Amino acid sequence: QVQLVQSGAEVKKPGASVKVSCKASGYNFTNSPIHWVRQAPGQRFEWLGWINAGNGYTKYSQKFQGRVTITSDTSATTVYMELSSLRSEDTAVYYCARDGGWELLCFDYWGQGTLVTVSS
Amino acid sequence: DIQMTQSPSTLSASVGDRVTITCRASQSINRWLAWYQQKPGKAPKVLIYKASSLQSGVPSRFSGSGSGTEFTLTISSLQPDDFATYYCQQYNSYSVHFGQGTKLEIK
Repeated sequence: QVQLVQSGAEVKKPGASVKVSCKASGYNFTNSPIHWVRQAPGQRFEWLGWINAGNGYTKYSQKFQGRVTITSDTSATTVYMELSSLRSEDTAVYYCARDGGWELLCFDYWGQGTLVTVSS
Repeated sequence: DIQMTQSPSTLSASVGDRVTITCRASQSINRWLAWYQQKPGKAPKVLIYKASSLQSGVPSRFSGSGSGTEFTLTISSLQPDDFATYYCQQYNSYSVHFGQGTKLEIK
């Protein structure tokens, strides 16, 4: 079965960077893009970007362009999201999600979420 | 940027009720809309994709409709497991935007 398993919670100081991993299994890793979204307390979901896990092509939200980097390791079937220059407003649960492709045009599987807390 | 607006923000209803949640897009998104259900502490689960297609394994009491800028999610007969928060999502290969969510509460 398809599974996306994310790394554990992180606590970071303002100005630091965080790198969250998303280990995929149960499907052909290179066939499906992976997206990253976040959900801050009381806020709606925000999309950070996506990666074509097969060729490494990325597309980032304009809001996070320059601060977010999404990479993939095909040998480890793992996608990484790094967010730099952290500030308190980046405190949120970060999710990876599989792109369902043109047939679905939605996110059909999600990771369990990773809480990132930014605090001095 | 496309704005997605859901209404209502909170909805109180009873088991057995029929409920409808609306999602409006600031510009036409064809039928590229999905609906998700989220329970506290859990990741969202897709219910409806392409505005009206039921995701595999989702009960048939859930249905979606609409195109262009106005969409609805209907639950025909609420079950205890349905009390959760619901989000609409616009998707294309260039951007993704979510509605602010509708919390469905027990009356």
